[in-house]
Amino acid sequence: GENVEQHPSTLSVQEGDSAVIKCTYSDSASNYFPWYKQELGKGPQLIIDIRSNVGEKKDQRIAVTLNKTAKHFSLHITETQPEDSAVYFCAASTGNAGNMLTFGGGTRLMVKP
Amino acid sequence: NAGVTQTPKFQVLKTGQSMTLQCAQDMNHNSMYWYRQDPGMGLRLIYYSASEGTTDKGEVPNGYNVSRLNKREFSLRLESAAPSQTSVYFCASSPGTGFGELFFGEGSRLTVL
Repeated sequence: GENVEQHPSTLSVQEGDSAVIKCTYSDSASNYFPWYKQELGKGPQLIIDIRSNVGEKKDQRIAVTLNKTAKHFSLHITETQPEDSAVYFCAASTGNAGNMLTFGGGTRLMVKP
Repeated sequence: NAGVTQTPKFQVLKTGQSMTLQCAQDMNHNSMYWYRQDPGMGLRLIYYSASEGTTDKGEVPNGYNVSRLNKREFSLRLESAAPSQTSVYFCASSPGTGFGELFFGEGSRLTVL
């Protein structure tokens, strides 16, 4: 089955700096890669996703890049703000009906004011 | 909008006791899921229901049973709780399986002594 590894497990940045979280996956058939944000005491919430027919996707201060050859994808957050502090999870699946997401281990991002 | 509602939010059990976690969604979604979240291990799928009337095992189904009571409700049962089942449990729903956003509840923290 699919295996997703996520690094780093914790990341501390100064407000206004950029943050990058990286994930690798094992199944070359995977072609759907979402990112979820989990705030303290809440369930995860989708913030951005990318499908394998594109290499990069942006939504305001967040962007995701995908390298299918190397089987890795990354989340980039620019101009970080204290409200970006949360746990972030990457995930992968083949996107086929009945195929479930496999999540990475999570990254705790701390943005210091 | 309530979204996905889980009960109870907290529960303490003794080894060998049984309990049921309840989940309901009001978004008319076809698919529902139960995940467990443990430190450093991300979210692991226990069971899922692709549509009303069907259930399937996920990555870590041992020690659990599920019931898709109707389109709205999906319950998770621990028949004989073990300390290894101490975790935070999340229910989620989505319009279908494959591509697409998962909508999570706020979680149920279970401690087994």
